[in-house]
Amino acid sequence: GESVGLHLPTLSVQEGDNSIINCAYSNSASDYFIWYKQESGKGPQFIIDIRSNMDKRQGQRVTVLLNKTVKHLSLQIAATQPGDSAVYFCAENMSVDTGRRALTFGSGTRLQVQP
Amino acid sequence: GAVVSQHPSRVICKSGTSVKIECRSLDFQATTMFWYRQFPKQSLMLMATSNEGSKATYEQGVEKDKFLINHASLTLSTLTVTSAHPEDSSFYICSAVTGGSSYEQYFGPGTRLTVT
Repeated sequence: GESVGLHLPTLSVQEGDNSIINCAYSNSASDYFIWYKQESGKGPQFIIDIRSNMDKRQGQRVTVLLNKTVKHLSLQIAATQPGDSAVYFCAENMSVDTGRRALTFGSGTRLQVQP
Repeated sequence: GAVVSQHPSRVICKSGTSVKIECRSLDFQATTMFWYRQFPKQSLMLMATSNEGSKATYEQGVEKDKFLINHASLTLSTLTVTSAHPEDSSFYICSAVTGGSSYEQYFGPGTRLTVT
């Protein structure tokens, strides 16, 4: 069935470097995408979102890029810090088509920041 | 703003007993709440969508008689795991949306259920 997936299960970076976490989605009807950060034993924390009418959105130290042609989503974290260590999930929603607000989550990428 | 709480944060119960988990939106009214389950090192899997005042909509493969959901008010949804078994041990997370045109979901901190 339709799914959202990730290529890399674990990403290890040096403190201060930039991190890029990727996500592939398969449903072209998806119109809303979100990146979440989840620390161990906690619920997901919203990082940034993007709608399908955009291809880039920037936040504080984070940028989300959306390539609808290849159904690819990425999260860029600038100057990665130890506090960024967590599991990152992309999620998608197909609200326009169905009015459904439930999210479909990708499999997650663990980001490890080495001091 | 937009804080969601869950209670309890951790619970251990014996096999065959039932456990209730509460999800509350503390500073907003949530027309819709969602319940997710997350096994170790895995992603969140949607279990059901809970709308205030109506029956929950369950995802395929989720037993509605085992996972009872009640959304009695705009700030509270409960998930009851009935006749729990060790395979029900998991991290249960709820989320809530404010309604209107917003699709942003606010997640609770999760409840760790261990069935012995």
